[in-house]
Formats: sequence, structure tokens, C-alpha cells
Amino acid sequence: DQQVKQNSPSLSVQEGRISILNCDYTNSMFDYFLWYKKYPAEGPTFLISISSIKDKNEDGRFTVFLNKSAKHLSLHIVPSQPGDSAVYFCAARYTGTASKLTFGTGTRLQVTL
Amino acid sequence: NAGVMQNPRHLVRRRGQEARLRCSPMKGHSHVYWYRQLPEEGLKFMVYLQKENIIDESGMPKERFSAEFPKEGPSILRIQQVVRGDSAAYFCASSPRTGVGYEQYFGPGTRLTVT
Repeated sequence: DQQVKQNSPSLSVQEGRISILNCDYTNSMFDYFLWYKKYPAEGPTFLISISSIKDKNEDGRFTVFLNKSAKHLSLHIVPSQPGDSAVYFCAARYTGTASKLTFGTGTRLQVTL
Repeated sequence: NAGVMQNPRHLVRRRGQEARLRCSPMKGHSHVYWYRQLPEEGLKFMVYLQKENIIDESGMPKERFSAEFPKEGPSILRIQQVVRGDSAAYFCASSPRTGVGYEQYFGPGTRLTVT
């Protein structure tokens, strides 16, 4: 049962344009959402998070939007840079699970010149 | 401040052998999590430990897998009698405490190959 879904396995964007990565979830108990970035042969690196009491959180070039009614969140990267090329994982957790994370399957972002 | 350390980075075991994966959390972090990533899949939670205590092992297979986080030393994930299906990347993460704002920081992973 995939509770966190990333339906696009890959995305290609030109340098300087906006990258939009999407994530859907099914468990309405989730109250905290995170995005991680992963390079090959490395561990995931935390990027940005959002609590369910907010609908937007911004950090530099990264903005996460949360639509609770649609159980959907998205990560916007503006402007995209070649160094952003990586696999992006959406993750979720809820208070009752002592912080264990449920991950999506990832979206591979390729930023082209 | 060193990040989360995992060793070995690569481990090859024959079927039936034991695998021991080690994780040293970041300094000041007392919460450790283990995740497994199978090829082409996302990370799956296995176990959450604090010093000398297993808090949540709901993601651990019922047999052959065990984890510990002793008072002194690294956290250990132990897989007995490995099978081909255990081949995966195993990631450890740590945090200073749980709750909003205390994110999990991941190590580089141990890639286990069972031949």
C-alpha cells in the first residue's frame, strides 16, 4: 500500500526554468511533509519541509506547497540549475508514529543546459 | 561537525552468511532510524531506536533482522542468514530529538550485495 506517491518517475527541465515536482498522499493522518534530494551513491539530503497547518513554505529557490483537501504537495525550484539534477523524494510522517518517515518512490530531475 | 557515518559502504555476502551494518549518528543525536531502499523503489522505514531502546520496529522483517543502539558505540543492524532479496541499500538517519523542526539527517548508506 503506497501511502505516498510520486507518479512522475522523471522530469527534464531547462536551466533557468521552473521545476515542479509533485507528490500525492492517501493517509489523512500525515501532518508533516518533507522533501529530500539524493545524488547517486549518497544518502538523502533534507531540503525543505511543511507542516499541515501551513499551505506554503519557502527557502531560497525552493518552495513547497501543500493542498490538504487534495492530499497533494509540490516542490517548486526556481530557477533550476544543473546542480539540481538528482532524485527527489517526498516524505511524510504523523505525530503518532514517533517520526518514522514514509517515502515516495522518487522523481529523477534532469536540468539541461 | 561530522555527519552520520555508516560502514562499510559496500558489503558483499554469500547466501547464508551474516551481515553487520554500523551507524554512528551525528554528535548530539540520540535518535537513530534505519531505512532500506530496494532497486527502483523509495526508502522504507525499518526501525527507530534511542540509546539502549527499540522504540518502533514495525518495519523490520520478523525473522533474521535485528537492531541495537548500545549505550556506547554505534547502532548495529544485523541480518542473519542473508538471502538474495536482502540485497539493497541500507540507510541510517539520526536526529537530536523527535518532532517538528528536528529533521532526520541521513548517512551515505551501506550497499549490501548477496551473491
